[in-house]
Amino acid sequence: QVQLLQSGAELRRPGASVNISCKTFGYTFANYYVHWVRQAPGQGLEWMGLINPRSGAISYAPKFRGRGRLTVTRDTSTTTVYMDLSSLTSEDTAVYFCAKSRRPGVGTTPKDYWGQGTLVTVS
Amino acid sequence: EVVLTQSPGTLSLFPGDRATLSCRASQSVSSTFLGWYHQKPGQAPRLLIYDATTRATGIPDRFSGSGSGTDFTLTISRLEPEDFAVYYCQYYNGSPLTFGGGTKVEIK
Repeated sequence: QVQLLQSGAELRRPGASVNISCKTFGYTFANYYVHWVRQAPGQGLEWMGLINPRSGAISYAPKFRGRGRLTVTRDTSTTTVYMDLSSLTSEDTAVYFCAKSRRPGVGTTPKDYWGQGTLVTVS
Repeated sequence: EVVLTQSPGTLSLFPGDRATLSCRASQSVSSTFLGWYHQKPGQAPRLLIYDATTRATGIPDRFSGSGSGTDFTLTISRLEPEDFAVYYCQYYNGSPLTFGGGTKVEIK
């Protein structure tokens, strides 16, 4: 059974960093890209980036590339993906989701399984 | 960047009604990369439709997707109580992958 299990809620001060884990189960980890999507309180969904678990190659949304605030990594031995976001501001307060690509080997595909979400509060 | 505009912002309907949700892209896109999700409060989004018209696994046939070019539609033929939620379209090609702003389907 496919599952993505995320780490728990975090409270951070402005300027700090946060690291969220996404432990995956029930499928061949290397074959399916994992995405990160966030949702500010009462707002819509925002795609942040993805990782190819096989190669470690990443792609980030343009708003996160310039200042290098976002880092997505993976550990193939534990089938876990990590999302690190630095220089936090109140605008980063959101629920962060990891999600699995539906089709193997590509990132341009819908997301069929999602983690439960991790609330990050910056205050 | 492809901008997706969803309308209406809120749809107030009765159970059993037909719901028609619109998603308009800022430029012509391939229907191969257009999907729909719904999200209930406190939950993660759930994939309903991908490639504009294909129902995801386990999605009942009252949900259907259509459209091409810049205009896409999600139709729910008869609303069930569990269908009242927020619906998002997504374009999953290029960078960034983009979501529409959402349509809330609420009980009238």
